[in-house]
Amino acid sequence: SQTIHQWPATLVQPVGSPLSLECTVEGTSNPNLYWYRQAAGRGLQLLFYSVGIGQISSEVPQNLSASRPQDRQFILSSKKLLLSDSGFYLCAWSNRGGSNQPQHFGDGTRLSIL
Amino acid sequence: GQSLEQPSEVTAVEGAIVQINCTYQTSGFYGLSWYQQHDGGAPTFLSYNALDGLEETGRFSSFLSRSDSYGYLLLQELQMKDSASYFCAVRPYGQNFVFGPGTRLSVLP
Repeated sequence: SQTIHQWPATLVQPVGSPLSLECTVEGTSNPNLYWYRQAAGRGLQLLFYSVGIGQISSEVPQNLSASRPQDRQFILSSKKLLLSDSGFYLCAWSNRGGSNQPQHFGDGTRLSIL
Repeated sequence: GQSLEQPSEVTAVEGAIVQINCTYQTSGFYGLSWYQQHDGGAPTFLSYNALDGLEETGRFSSFLSRSDSYGYLLLQELQMKDSASYFCAVRPYGQNFVFGPGTRLSVLP
């Protein structure tokens, strides 16, 4: 069966510090991968998605970046965090081929910027 | 652009039936999805409507009417564990998923 791992679960970082969140998927090949951010009590905002190794599309311009060094690895990064980067970050994957493919989410990383 | 609207909160009692509505403004999309998210947890997929009509999965049903730009999630025989946030989502043609703001369902004993 397919599983998705996301870490860390919780992170507290000072303003201006770097960030690296990692997400890995097991049990599937060539997945579509996504990074979302969710503000408290709000919906999900798509940040980045990837259809293959090294292929990253950004939905929202910001100081975050994403990379996909391996087929089932997706990394969210920042060189200098801002207060506004606080939130709940979710990684997700879906199978290719078909618009009805559901998205499967990781457990999320709760990021607090101080 | 695309936008979806949902009620922010819904309250119901155990054993009751509740309907969570989702209205949208998008020119064209593949289908309407619903996700459940418990506090502090990850969203989980519930249902998908590609065509107009009703889709039933156990106690949950989902409905879509493209002509009315409207859909809903119906939860029957409510249980305490159904207390969660529910999100509708559409995938516009040529784009990725767009999620609604979510509806927080509280089930009372």
